[in-house]
Amino acid sequence: AQKVTQAQTEISVVEKEDVTLDCVYETRDTTYYLFWYKQPPSGELVFLIRRNSFDEQNEISGRYSWNFQKSTSSFNFTITASQVVDSAVYFCALSEAGSGGYQKVTFGIGTKLQVIP
Amino acid sequence: DTGVSQNPRHKITKRGQNVTFRCDPISEHNRLYWYRQTLGQGPEFLTYFQNEAQLEKSRLLSDRFSAERPKGSFSTLEIQRTEQGDSAMYLCASSRTDNYGYTFGSGTRLTVV
Repeated sequence: AQKVTQAQTEISVVEKEDVTLDCVYETRDTTYYLFWYKQPPSGELVFLIRRNSFDEQNEISGRYSWNFQKSTSSFNFTITASQVVDSAVYFCALSEAGSGGYQKVTFGIGTKLQVIP
Repeated sequence: DTGVSQNPRHKITKRGQNVTFRCDPISEHNRLYWYRQTLGQGPEFLTYFQNEAQLEKSRLLSDRFSAERPKGSFSTLEIQRTEQGDSAMYLCASSRTDNYGYTFGSGTRLTVV
């Protein structure tokens, strides 16, 4: 069964600090997809990134970067120079590609990030 | 692209009553998903539609829950004989293909009193 673990339930940082959100996953499939979503206080989940299991290249998008390491089953998310607007709950998620048909997305319990001005 | 729309935003109901929620996905998206989120938890999968066909249903969905997507457009989620344990945020999402990022709606927060 697939599983996503976000061990950090809450993190507080001071504005402009860098912060890394950890995500560890479990899956028996060799083909799978990993995601990060942001849920700001308004409540709407916002898709940030998708990574497939064959692509271990790290990705950078502005102040956001993602480090995917299959060897440790981790897909960590770093925010550089954090801002107050980054305050939100961040979810890591996993779906297995399977042999066809829909494979549900399993979410972690989320990491609540508070950026203090 | 007006996003995924969910109505109502909030619903308070008495235990035992029936409730129905509506989701209007992004028009080009033929995949539609319902998730449920309780406080302090991540979203949990409930059910999935490809066009009008309900292809997957979680064991979390008891017989009191039913979802439809007539004509492959909007979807409704009905809960019959609500229980206090049904209190949660019900999230709808849509996507163009499987295994791509979802676009979520703002959710319907259900409170059963």
